Amino acid sequence: DGGITQSPKYLFRKEGQNVTLSCEQNLNHDAMYWYRQDPGQGLRLIYYSQIVNDFQKGDIAEGYSVSREKKESFPLTVTSAQKNPTAFYLCASSIAQNTGELFFGEGSRLTVL
Amino acid sequence: KNQVEQSPQSLIILEGKNCTLQCNYTVSPFSNLRWYKQDTGRGPVSLTIMTFSENTKSNGRYTATLDADTKQSSLHITASQLSDSASYICVVSDRSYKLIFGSGTRLLVRP
Repeated sequence: DGGITQSPKYLFRKEGQNVTLSCEQNLNHDAMYWYRQDPGQGLRLIYYSQIVNDFQKGDIAEGYSVSREKKESFPLTVTSAQKNPTAFYLCASSIAQNTGELFFGEGSRLTVL
Repeated sequence: KNQVEQSPQSLIILEGKNCTLQCNYTVSPFSNLRWYKQDTGRGPVSLTIMTFSENTKSNGRYTATLDADTKQSSLHITASQLSDSASYICVVSDRSYKLIFGSGTRLLVRP
């Protein structure tokens, strides 16, 4: 079945550690996105990529990094520079940038201990 | 500032009843408006996408309306089921394709 797979579902990290969240899609979509979701707030865009080997900062990119070496994959690294990393992270994809339906993965919940 | 405001923040209804969720936006210029359903701990799933020229769009028991003049949208759920318990998120896109997300309405359907 086509879709977006995020892993891990739950992740615990000690302060000062970098962690990488995986996002893979087999929908043949060009555009991929990372969002952060906090209680009581709307989703906020961290990074997005319109095409392989290209990505752009979103509204809250500080403390995060991404890569887009393959069309199917868009991993997100939460670095130790991110001051408040505990959140629910959602990966999404669409045919082209913000065009048509946005398909989301199941999310990754990161907790910093 | 482009904003999307949803009301109410939370809502409790009895199974079988109808309900209406509201979305007001200040996004300009407007491109489209989307409603998503998000189960707890899961990713959002698209319910409807409406452009400027569409007033109403249905998806099963879900009916979305759009009034582009007053910049308001509503999501009506008919004959609610326990599985409708979720957060409902309104998202508005401007002409530069930027998506602005509302904070959602949390719906609880009780038996």
